[in-house]
Amino acid sequence: SQQGEEDPQALSIQEGENATMNCSYKTSINNLQWYRQNSGRGLVHLILIRSNEREKHSGRLRVTLDTSKKSSSLLITASRAADTASYFCATDEEYGNKLVFGAGTILRVKS
Amino acid sequence: DTEVTQTPKHLVMGMTNKKSLKCEQHMGHRAMYWYKQKAKKPPELMFVYSYEKLSINESVPSRFSPECPNSSLLNLHLHALQPEDSALYLCASSQTPDRVYEQFFGPGTRLTVL
Repeated sequence: SQQGEEDPQALSIQEGENATMNCSYKTSINNLQWYRQNSGRGLVHLILIRSNEREKHSGRLRVTLDTSKKSSSLLITASRAADTASYFCATDEEYGNKLVFGAGTILRVKS
Repeated sequence: DTEVTQTPKHLVMGMTNKKSLKCEQHMGHRAMYWYKQKAKKPPELMFVYSYEKLSINESVPSRFSPECPNSSLLNLHLHALQPEDSALYLCASSQTPDRVYEQFFGPGTRLTVL
């Protein structure tokens, strides 16, 4: 089952610009995570934000969580060509022990 | 060692073949996962092992048979697959199955069924 919906589906920007991706989900959650996947490779964990947190930073990444709207955003500042990848949000089901991934956003950073 | 390894990287098999995918982690994680990912789609959970026991089977067809011989190793046995089973198969592990923490993913096995 797919819990998160991501927006936009694809995003193309110039190196140095900021990229913002949004994720919406349907049920109550304990935490929300963001992952990056380079083409045809495994996923890499970027950041985890708990349901009682509103904002979290990690390097050039900023994640916000609005549980009242059941939505999250991932901001990548000062993008680089190496940021070109697919980005997925993933939520845990409140009473489960599994992750459900959103549809993903394909980010292309042009140099 | 924060790595999850998967072998083989690529696998081509006929519909009558039997093959196995292998996954290994040495981080002491007690939860291990198999995901299937089709092109341009998110990973879909197939199986979860908690403390070496199968805890979740997402209604996966019996032609996929998981096995967890020990806490570091996870196998996926394949038999009589269909062409629509062609996909990237990802293995992941996490510290504990009791709560969903960060998952560490392997690079995947690209499976083609002819």
